[in-house]
This record gives sequence, structure tokens and C-alpha cells, in this order.
Amino acid sequence: GDSVTQMEGPVTLSEEAFLTINCTYTATGYPSLFWYVQYPGEGLQLLLKATKADDKGSNKGFEATYRKETTSFHLEKGSVQVSDSAVYFCALSAPNTGNQFYFGTGTSLTVIP
Amino acid sequence: DADVTQTPRNRITKTGKRIMLECSQTKGHDRMYWYRQDPGLGLRLIYYSFDVKDINKGEISDGYSVSRQAQAKFSLSLESAIPNQTALYFCATSDLGLAGTDTQYFGPGTRLTVL
Repeated sequence: GDSVTQMEGPVTLSEEAFLTINCTYTATGYPSLFWYVQYPGEGLQLLLKATKADDKGSNKGFEATYRKETTSFHLEKGSVQVSDSAVYFCALSAPNTGNQFYFGTGTSLTVIP
Repeated sequence: DADVTQTPRNRITKTGKRIMLECSQTKGHDRMYWYRQDPGLGLRLIYYSFDVKDINKGEISDGYSVSRQAQAKFSLSLESAIPNQTALYFCATSDLGLAGTDTQYFGPGTRLTVL
């Protein structure tokens, strides 16, 4: 069945460091891919998404490119800030499964000054 | 005002008690979902509803029931709570976009503790 695998955390970085959080997926159809962010004490918020191969989603300095050949959707940011400390979830939604969402287990990021 | 609200935000209860968690949305979406979040397990789908007359079980529906009272309201019940139902519960809504793409919008969560 459809699934998402993302790198385990926790990840700790210094401010202004480069961030990569890996995400790979398994899907039988043509899924849409998402990154959600959860700040402490809050619900999940959509960070970015991509709906077809080679699309790049971007928001708040974060980027992820939908790579069909490697079934990946890695999240990157060139210079993280303390305010980026949160848990990041990769997810997919596929029409052939009724657009159900499948989430990864989440990656906790802490950015230290 | 928040688009997706959940009540209560925190609840402590005892084993065997009946608990209802409520979710309301002002986004006008047809689709609503209940998830639970546990450390290291991510989000797991409990139930989902694509419209008022459509209710579907998710990955972990045992021990839970739901009611879709209106397009805007979707309640989750634990008929007889047990300690391993201690978790963070999220309601979400979505509406199928023009490109056939679904995006989910989450409430702030309800932290439930079963003693």
C-alpha cells in the first residue's frame, strides 16, 4: 500500500546551517506530496506541496522537489533559524486511495543560536 | 477565528468512562478526519467522512466511533476509554481541489489522558 518514510530525528542544527530532511514514498498511482510543520503545542500546518513530477514546492525559504525517478520529496532550507524549530511531517495523497493522507513519523528539528 | 476548532483542548479521564471530542469547521469543506498522534508513530487515521452521509473506518478505528452531525461538525467518541488511548487527537478537513489535489487543514488538537 501507499506509505511515506522519512528520516528519523531528532535533528539539531546551529542557526544558519543547511537543512535536509529526507522523505521517500511508495505509491501505486500519481500522488501529491506534502510537507507539514507542527510547532510546539499546535496542530499541523501545511508548509508546501507538489502535485506532479518535477514540481518544486516552496514556502518560507523551504523547498522540496517531487522526484518520481527516486520516489523522493526531500525538504531543504539554506539557512535555518531558531524559529524553524518544530516537527516536520512528510505526507502523500493519492487519488487511487480516495485521496487518503499517509503521513511519515515526523522529524523533530531543534535550531540552537 | 480559527477555521478548525476542537473541544476540549485537554481532558483527563478514568478508565471505562465515555468521552466525546468535538470538531467544528468554518472552511465549508465536505471532508473531515480524525487522527491520533503518538510519539514515534506519527499520525494515524481513525475515521474519515467525505460528506454527512459517508463515514469510513481508518487504520485504527477499534474502540472509537464517530458522528457527522452536519457538514461543519464531526465528533469522535471513546465508548469506554482505556489507558492506551492516551494520545493527542487531531481533527482535519479537506476539499478536493480543481486538480484533484487534497490539502488537509488541522485543528489545534485535543490532549487526552486516560488514567
